[in-house]
Amino acid sequence: EVQLVESGGDLVQPGGSLRLSCGASGFSFRGSWLSWVRQAPGKGLEWVANIKQYGSQTFYVESVKGRFTISRDDTKNSLYLQMNSLRNEDTAVYYCARVYPGSSWPSFDYWGQGTLVTVAS
Amino acid sequence: QSALTQPPSASGSPGQSVTISCTGSSSDVGDYNFVSWFQQHPGKVPKLIIFEVSRRPSGVPDRFSGSKSGNTASLTVSGLQAEDEADYYCSSNLGSDSVVFGGGTKLTVL
Repeated sequence: EVQLVESGGDLVQPGGSLRLSCGASGFSFRGSWLSWVRQAPGKGLEWVANIKQYGSQTFYVESVKGRFTISRDDTKNSLYLQMNSLRNEDTAVYYCARVYPGSSWPSFDYWGQGTLVTVAS
Repeated sequence: QSALTQPPSASGSPGQSVTISCTGSSSDVGDYNFVSWFQQHPGKVPKLIIFEVSRRPSGVPDRFSGSKSGNTASLTVSGLQAEDEADYYCSSNLGSDSVVFGGGTKLTVL
């Protein structure tokens, strides 16, 4: 059974940093394409970042470029999102998601349960 | 990149069909056959119901169907059931390996 489990969400002050993790199981992690998608309270979905297999290529929404870094550790079946210089508007539930094998973004077929990041003073 | 345009709300009675539109541009929906639809019940995780414009993942009822014409993608839910009441989001590949979502449509089953 495919499972994605996020962790690391917390309350952080503006300008602070946080690292989210997403542990994966039940599928071939190494060759998978993965993403982070966020949802602000009461709002819609927003794509944040993509990473291809082996971490060879990464892509970001304009609003997080230079502040967020997506990465993966295939030896630990884990996906990460390093978030620096956090802003109030980064407050959201952050989901990790997998791309349907053989397809492309945004064919996100499995999602984690989400982890809440709150940026506030 | 601007979000794809969806109607804020849609509704239908049990057994009826309802179609939700998702309008983009020639840079996203119109240019790529990577359009997905997600269903999200309140407090729940989004669920993929359509990908690559019209493909259904295993386990998704065939009451859900997707299509595309020009810069507009559509999701049709046939034979509406009470459990179909949820928020629906479209999403498209933008090229350059980036993604854009629509603003979401709240579907009400009357």
